[in-house]
Amino acid sequence: GENVEQHPSTLSVQEGDSAVIKCTYSDSASNYFPWYKQELGKRPQLIIDIRSNVGEKKDQRIAVTLNKTAKHFSLHITETQPEDSAVYFCAAYDYKLSFGAGTTVTVRA
Amino acid sequence: SAVISQKPSRDICQRGTSLTIQCQVDSQVTMMFWYRQQPGQSLTLIATANQGSEATYESGFVIDKFPISRPNLTFSTLTVSNMSPEDSSIYLCSVDPGQGYGYTFGSGTRLTVV
Repeated sequence: GENVEQHPSTLSVQEGDSAVIKCTYSDSASNYFPWYKQELGKRPQLIIDIRSNVGEKKDQRIAVTLNKTAKHFSLHITETQPEDSAVYFCAAYDYKLSFGAGTTVTVRA
Repeated sequence: SAVISQKPSRDICQRGTSLTIQCQVDSQVTMMFWYRQQPGQSLTLIATANQGSEATYESGFVIDKFPISRPNLTFSTLTVSNMSPEDSSIYLCSVDPGQGYGYTFGSGTRLTVV
């Protein structure tokens, strides 16, 4: 089955700086890669996603890149704000979602 | 995207008892999933529930412990049976409207077994 690895496990950034989270996947059949943000005590919320036929996608301060050949995808958050503090999960989809271990992002004011 | 109502939101249960968690979706969906999220951990898929067929369980999860019902295209239940403190987790249902796009989660059930 699919194996998704996510790094780093924790990330602390100064407000206004950028944050980057990286994931790798093992199953070349995976064709959809969403990112979820989970705040304490809440359900995971989809923040951005990318299909396997697209290399990059941007939504305001958030962008995701995908390298299918290398089986890498990354989340980029620019101009970080305190409300970006949360746990972020990457996932890969091949008929079901497999999640990375999560990254706890802390934005220091 | 689909809206999912999940209940109960939380419960404290005695060991050896069972708890049934319900998820209601506001639209018909073929595939529903049940996840477990242990404290500070990622989401682990328990099983896939398709209407009209037996649920498909992931490695490490068995039907006797986590029986699932899927009577129609908008509803599913997960039962956590013969509970022990190790079952204390958040349980979430989710739906796949199609090929993963718009995959959404219920609000979760926080289970504490004492």
